[in-house]
Amino acid sequence: DTGVSQDPRHKITKRGQNVTFRCDPISEHNRLYWYRQTLGQGPEFLTYFQNEAQLEKSRLLSDRFSAERPKGSFSTLEIQRTEQGDSAMYLCASSSGKGTDTQYFGPGTRLTVL
Amino acid sequence: AQSVTQLGSHVSVSEGALVLLRCNYSSSVPPYLFWYVQYPNQGLQLLLKYTSAATLVKGINGFEAEFKKSETSFHLTKPSAHMSDAAEYFCAVSGPRGGSYIPTFGRGTSLIVHP
Repeated sequence: DTGVSQDPRHKITKRGQNVTFRCDPISEHNRLYWYRQTLGQGPEFLTYFQNEAQLEKSRLLSDRFSAERPKGSFSTLEIQRTEQGDSAMYLCASSSGKGTDTQYFGPGTRLTVL
Repeated sequence: AQSVTQLGSHVSVSEGALVLLRCNYSSSVPPYLFWYVQYPNQGLQLLLKYTSAATLVKGINGFEAEFKKSETSFHLTKPSAHMSDAAEYFCAVSGPRGGSYIPTFGRGTSLIVHP
């Protein structure tokens, strides 16, 4: 068990470009979550998957954001036509879906939009 | 609906002193409560969690928290601060929500430890 991993760790892009982030959850976890964290704030929920099904999306997830988990394993989060307001840390977490369903977080991807 | 209020965006203590980080919650259902720690440019690490068993919960690195329903509080304590405890601490509350327990986080408290 190597924990939740995310790639890349840092991404710098110009406004208007598209970016894609990847998250690999803990192998036996069937639930996967995406959060956004801005400076001085706690993580804010964006969306979550159970296996390959996307079960909930926050109102924070605008039409420019899309997330997929095609085979129920890794997930990608794409942001189209990035804006400066998208600059944040994007965190991924996974959970087993059992018991207290505790979430375990990855190291995050820090996005800077110039 | 659920929410968390962390009192104090910054807490400063001397090495060896008591650490007390405050968290008050609001929840319409019996809550699960969590404390996470975040070091610079890293993800969140679970310190401890309350899930309706013992009200005094012990976590990693010598931290503990006590669930007080009458005060709707879940304050985090550590008897003696260490320099390595300097980090951002987040309190979170969750409850059943469409089959998953998605936590709502507070804004965080930055713990500063002076030598």
